[in-house]
Amino acid sequence: SQQGEEDPQALSIQEGENATMNCSYKTSINNLQWYRQNSGRGLVHLILIRSNEREKHSGRLRVTLDTSKKSSSLLITASRAADTASYFCATAQGGSEKLVFGKGTKLTVNP
Amino acid sequence: SAVISQKPSRDICQRGTSLTIQCQVDSQVTMMFWYRQQPGQSLTLIATANQGSEATYESGFVIDKFPISRPNLTFSTLTVSNMSPEDSSIYLCSVAGGRFYGYTFGSGTRLTVV
Repeated sequence: SQQGEEDPQALSIQEGENATMNCSYKTSINNLQWYRQNSGRGLVHLILIRSNEREKHSGRLRVTLDTSKKSSSLLITASRAADTASYFCATAQGGSEKLVFGKGTKLTVNP
Repeated sequence: SAVISQKPSRDICQRGTSLTIQCQVDSQVTMMFWYRQQPGQSLTLIATANQGSEATYESGFVIDKFPISRPNLTFSTLTVSNMSPEDSSIYLCSVAGGRFYGYTFGSGTRLTVV
């Protein structure tokens, strides 16, 4: 079953604007990960945030984690047309290595 | 991080037939994961493949429909058996990168059953 729920399901913005995607989950986690998928291909790992971290940066990406609210957000700054893709959050629970994925946000960046 | 070679990248199959998908990893890994992504949907875990033991299937997935082999620590196959149009999906394999690292995914197999 799906662990995370992404919000919004779809997002359309102009190049240069920022894109924010949110993810909520239900159970305790070891970490939360964000992935990108271009046109139904394989997933690419973007960033991992541990359960004891609150914020993490990687290039134009900023991820926050609020374990009290069981939620995370992914911010892409200064978006580019190449950022057009689907973005998924995923969590690993307890001692398991199984990743459980959210429903995803489809981002379209218009040139 | 590991590199995964997944084959085939896509296939169109007749209903009632079977398709075997292969994943080759460039390093030894304990567990490999198989996912299904139905059109427009997220990823759902099918099973976890361990070397030397039977795969562990998630609720809703059975071995007769999705038999998995794991002959060594770098290779695994997933077979989609007795296919129907409802099996049309993208199938992906994955390996973990360690507790604080991301997972690596194969490039996916886009299956269409007609």
